Amino acid sequence: DGGITQSPKYLFRKEGQNVTLSCEQNLNHDAMYWYRQDPGQGLRLIYYSQIVNDFQKGDIAEGYSVSREKKESFPLTVTSAQKNPTAFYLCASALNRNEQFFGPGTRLTVL
Amino acid sequence: KNEVEQSPQNLTAQEGEFITINCSYSVGISALHWLQQHPGGGIVSLFMLSSGKKKHGRLIATINIQEKHSSLHITASHPRDSAVYICAVPQTHLVTDKLIFGTGTRLQVFP
Repeated sequence: DGGITQSPKYLFRKEGQNVTLSCEQNLNHDAMYWYRQDPGQGLRLIYYSQIVNDFQKGDIAEGYSVSREKKESFPLTVTSAQKNPTAFYLCASALNRNEQFFGPGTRLTVL
Repeated sequence: KNEVEQSPQNLTAQEGEFITINCSYSVGISALHWLQQHPGGGIVSLFMLSSGKKKHGRLIATINIQEKHSSLHITASHPRDSAVYICAVPQTHLVTDKLIFGTGTRLQVFP
């Protein structure tokens, strides 16, 4: 079955620790995205990548980093520089400029 | 930059009722997306449309490009339709895959 997987579903970390969220897709999509969702707000774009070994900052990239070493994988690292990291994180992928397919999300809680 | 507004924010219905959710945006676009987010957080793409109307089962999406407005209709609503419905459009009038999202309409359908 083709799709996008994100792991883990729930993640707890202590303040000041870096944490990496996984996103894998087997849809052979070129483009991948990371979004953050907070209560009462729309999804906001953190980073996106349109091709392997290339990525661009989104609207709220500060405190985050990504890599795109493989087409299938687009991990997101939430660094200690992110002031308010507790949120729901969604990964998505798309073929060219068509509809985006979303993963199940990771809920990160920083204690 | 595009702004997206959805109405209503919350919607409660009895099973069988006809549902309408509205989305307005400020900048001319190439296509508009309707998404469904279930309580667990996962997001499913329902429609991507650039003109006219699309239908899938009990869901109908319409768009009026001149008025910069789209509607999502659900006929014969059912409790399993309970979810958050999100509208998304490209950030600018240029063809782009960077989307901005409305804050969503939370729908609850009671038996």
